[in-house]
Amino acid sequence: EADIYQTPRYLVIGTGKKITLECSQTMGHDKMYWYQQDPGMELHLIHYSYGVNSTEKGDLSSESTVSRIRTEHFPLTLESARPSHTSQYLCASSGQVSNSPLHFGNGTRLTVT
Amino acid sequence: QKEVEQNSGPLSVPEGAIASLNCTYSDRVSQSFFWYRQYSGKSPELIMSIYSNGDKEDGRFTAQLNKASQYVSLLIRDSQPSDSATYLCAVLDPNDYKLSFGAGTTVTVRA
Repeated sequence: EADIYQTPRYLVIGTGKKITLECSQTMGHDKMYWYQQDPGMELHLIHYSYGVNSTEKGDLSSESTVSRIRTEHFPLTLESARPSHTSQYLCASSGQVSNSPLHFGNGTRLTVT
Repeated sequence: QKEVEQNSGPLSVPEGAIASLNCTYSDRVSQSFFWYRQYSGKSPELIMSIYSNGDKEDGRFTAQLNKASQYVSLLIRDSQPSDSATYLCAVLDPNDYKLSFGAGTTVTVRA
């Protein structure tokens, strides 16, 4: 059973606010990922990390930023939220074995008003 | 960007029938393939991994892989209403460990 946690589960926030979505995993996984998914739509990779101090942009351009200071923690930050950022954000991690599958957290559903 | 194509849905099957889901991928170097199930409003849940050509069975699920044809499929036998969900095919790029997802096929099992 994968242990990956995201907080908050739901967030409603006004335009222009700075927000940080938290993601933590307790499995010691080196690789972590952020996906964005609108309702009924595809998953899009927005950020990923191979390990501490490693961050890469994904396939979908995003105004968010990430950091990886600790192995277990991979927060995503939006400096100034806009209604176009309304979406579900899914964090995932995978283990050291090169072909390990991804395990997902429960997601954060963000609404920007 | 790597392409992962799934058969368009929605797919409606009667309870007890077999649901057949198909997926093709564009990147020949891919070696690792996964099927995820996603219930509405929930996050994807891993149900099958397959790495070698042939069939892999796990309970009512069977994954089939044909690397020469760049094709992977999922069969759900004895479909149950609880199998009603969107099924996502995912392909791992061995060079950068990025997982590319298909758009998903929504399955509805009719009681």
